[in-house]
Amino acid sequence: GAVVSQHPSWVICKSGTSVKIECRSLDFQATTMFWYRQFPKQSLMLMATSNEGSKATYEQGVEKDKFLINHASLTLSTLTVTSAHPEDSSFYICSAPGGDQETQYFGPGTRLLVL
Amino acid sequence: QQQVKQSPQSLIVQKGGISIINCAYENTAFDYFPWYQQFPGKGPALLIAIRPDVSEKKEGRFTISFNKSAKQFSLHIMDSQPGDSATYFCAASGAGNQFYFGTGTSLTVIP
Repeated sequence: GAVVSQHPSWVICKSGTSVKIECRSLDFQATTMFWYRQFPKQSLMLMATSNEGSKATYEQGVEKDKFLINHASLTLSTLTVTSAHPEDSSFYICSAPGGDQETQYFGPGTRLLVL
Repeated sequence: QQQVKQSPQSLIVQKGGISIINCAYENTAFDYFPWYQQFPGKGPALLIAIRPDVSEKKEGRFTISFNKSAKQFSLHIMDSQPGDSATYFCAASGAGNQFYFGTGTSLTVIP
């Protein structure tokens, strides 16, 4: 099946710094990618839809100025958590639809810890 | 607002038993209903999925039952094994491809 990678797999940063997370589709192109966050023992919450060549679409309640999304190419989307605070500590997961535009392939996730 | 409701929150099943997880949705625009399995520290992996035009789909030990009129669907894991112990999420999506996940069920299969 299709493979989606994320980098880094985990990151620890100080409060106030910015962190960039990359999501790559390794063997297919994705004009759309999705970003989720997941708190321990909780569900995945859709944060935003990343669109190649255009602005991302954010879900209600998600601060677009805090969670900057850039979809620079057909295989790469980045999520930047700006001025991170401890409450931003979470598991961030991206996904991309496969060729059938139905099956979603998820990345392995990035665990962010803000001290 | 939780678009997809899932139950139970946790489930303990004996090896060889049947695990049943239920989900319900409200948005009739949803037309794709997958189930995902997630191990700790990993991203979700697709198990099985169904569209509303069929009432049941079976793949190996995994079966989805779908009730369109009730807007409910369920996952049945037959002959449950300890290796099935994981968190299971149902999801729903529509035309925009955005997935909305249920709250998850932590399954433990006891040897």
